Amino acid sequence: GAGVSQSPSNKVTEKGKDVELRCDPISGHTALYWYRQRLGQGLEFLIYFQGNSAPDKSGLPSDRFSAERTGESVSTLTIQRTQQEDSAVYLCASRRGGPSYEQYFGPGTRLTVT
Amino acid sequence: TQLLEQSPQFLSIQEGENLTVYCNSSSVFSSLQWYRQEPGEGPVLLVTVVTGGEVKKLKRLTFQFGDARKDSSLHITAAQPGDTGLYLCAGGALQGAQKLVFGQGTRLTINP
Repeated sequence: GAGVSQSPSNKVTEKGKDVELRCDPISGHTALYWYRQRLGQGLEFLIYFQGNSAPDKSGLPSDRFSAERTGESVSTLTIQRTQQEDSAVYLCASRRGGPSYEQYFGPGTRLTVT
Repeated sequence: TQLLEQSPQFLSIQEGENLTVYCNSSSVFSSLQWYRQEPGEGPVLLVTVVTGGEVKKLKRLTFQFGDARKDSSLHITAAQPGDTGLYLCAGGALQGAQKLVFGQGTRLTINP
């Protein structure tokens, strides 16, 4: 399909383990965002990529969180030494770039830390 | 820090009734977007408004952006069970990343 895809759709991990979440944006979209949605809450911004660079990382909650983007396409969000409070749905969105406003979201990865 | 207050958080009404959901902030936004989210899925964009005072209609849904671009409303006329879902408003930051600031969401239930 032509939409944003994310993998895995679900991830259960033990506390202290590292996890990697993947996002494939819409082809040609230069802007990419990661958000986190805790149960029953709205989305909170984590990080923004323009191309392969991340000019805004202000939403990353701690240095255990990092993200990269390669080839102006795929992005991975890595959480090291996971904690139970990291349990949430992690959503990726892409935007065409330039003066466009609309962000298009993937289905998310539901992360459960036990 | 920009915040968006969305109300009500929960709304349960009968089929055929009208309803309005509000998003309010003390901050100015470059754009205001409304999304609908189904369980297990990502938010799906319904509409984007960018001009103060702008009104957009999508069938039975009417979206309005406040004159000062600080608030917005979603009005649904003659609600139907298919309208049931989580509705999210999101404001676009004025500068830089165009990151979105989300309201807490309104969980809408339309009873047949």
